[in-house]
Amino acid sequence: AQKVTQAQTEISVVEKEDVTLDCVYETRDTTYYLFWYKQPPSGELVFLIRRNSFDEQNEISGRYSWNFQKSTSSFNFTITASQVVDSAVYFCALSEATYNTDKLIFGTGTRLQVFP
Amino acid sequence: ETGVTQTPRHLVMGMTNKKSLKCEQHLGHNAMYWYKQSAKKPLELMFVYNFKEQTENNSVPSRFSPECPNSSHLFLHLHTLQPEDSALYLCASSPWAGGSYAQYFGPGTRLTVT
Repeated sequence: AQKVTQAQTEISVVEKEDVTLDCVYETRDTTYYLFWYKQPPSGELVFLIRRNSFDEQNEISGRYSWNFQKSTSSFNFTITASQVVDSAVYFCALSEATYNTDKLIFGTGTRLQVFP
Repeated sequence: ETGVTQTPRHLVMGMTNKKSLKCEQHLGHNAMYWYKQSAKKPLELMFVYNFKEQTENNSVPSRFSPECPNSSHLFLHLHTLQPEDSALYLCASSPWAGGSYAQYFGPGTRLTVT
């Protein structure tokens, strides 16, 4: 069965610290997609990144970077020089796609609090 | 309007009421989704519509009835709900279902069943 584990329930940091959010997944599929979403207090999930299983290159987008390692089934997310606006719940998700439907399997989320 | 919108943002209803949640996407997508987010539980997929056809019902009780009249609109009709149905209901859309595309979410409807 497909599963996503985010072992860190809550992380607190002070502004300008770097922080890494862990994500470990389980799947039997050879082709799959991984995602990260941000959920600020307003409630809307904001899409951050989509990565397919054949692309293990690390990705950087501004202060955000992602480390995908198939050998350890992990897809970790690092925020460099964190800011108060980064405070939110972050979800990692795994896609289970069949012919005409998509299921996103979400982890339980990591609440990040960045203090000034 | 841009992105995915949901109305109402907040809803309080009694167990005998009938109400509907509305979702509209302005992204030109062809797939729409309903998710339920309860406290201390992972986000749960409820329904998937692809080109107006329902392609997934994740064992959702019949007191939740979805409707997708076109690719831009999605409704969730609610009747005789239980207190445990209180949750944040999120709508999402994607280019089409089956391609593992990113899903874009609305702000959600916070439902309280009394």
